[in-house]
Amino acid sequence: QSVLTQPPSASGTPGQRVTISCSGSSSNIGSNTVSWYQQLPGTAPKLLIYNNNQRPSGVPDRFSGSKSGTSASLAISGLQSEDEADYYCAAWDDSLNGGVFGGGTKLTVL
Amino acid sequence: QVQLVQSGAEVKKPGASVKVSCKASGYSFATYGLSWVRQAPGQGLEWMGWISAYNPNTNYAQKLQGRVTMTTDTSTSTAYMELRSLRSDDTAVYYCAKGHNWNEPAFDYWGQGTLVTVSS
Repeated sequence: QSVLTQPPSASGTPGQRVTISCSGSSSNIGSNTVSWYQQLPGTAPKLLIYNNNQRPSGVPDRFSGSKSGTSASLAISGLQSEDEADYYCAAWDDSLNGGVFGGGTKLTVL
Repeated sequence: QVQLVQSGAEVKKPGASVKVSCKASGYSFATYGLSWVRQAPGQGLEWMGWISAYNPNTNYAQKLQGRVTMTTDTSTSTAYMELRSLRSDDTAVYYCAKGHNWNEPAFDYWGQGTLVTVSS
């Protein structure tokens, strides 16, 4: 199982706001920044959020990130059909001295 | 524009080795390190390690220590990842990815991925 814990699935209807959680520990999320990725089927992951809540240029402001203690969240507002994808959180782990990912959350737009 | 172009798919037998390349363009190769991430079929992402493009520093995932070697060739702006003693559970898509800090898995550019299949 993954070091970072995400729900396996999430869903919402167009226009809704959905959040995806990512739970870790003091050695990863508790002491390092969190990134979020979107992965469409058959493609490489795309960076959505870095440094907990920063968006790379080109990422819509419908996507936002937050972190509190040893947990982080990705929020998607104004849900669109093209948001249907897998979402992963990531952080550095000081104990493992390496990067760690969540197991991924499959978002379905109903 | 920044591009990372990886080598093509590979089929290997158990116990063999594979070497995947990642050619970078559109930025100063020596300025940033490169990481490698893999994804087994239907599974999540797994960080494999990082290599500096301007000195010999590397940092490998603990579970791959002793089996993986990452190198770079600054003359061709190419990074390489070699994995030895392949097992069936090494079957995965392997990605190279560019980040800004060696200890932060925030990768703004990714290669297209290289499928490595390990099968007898």
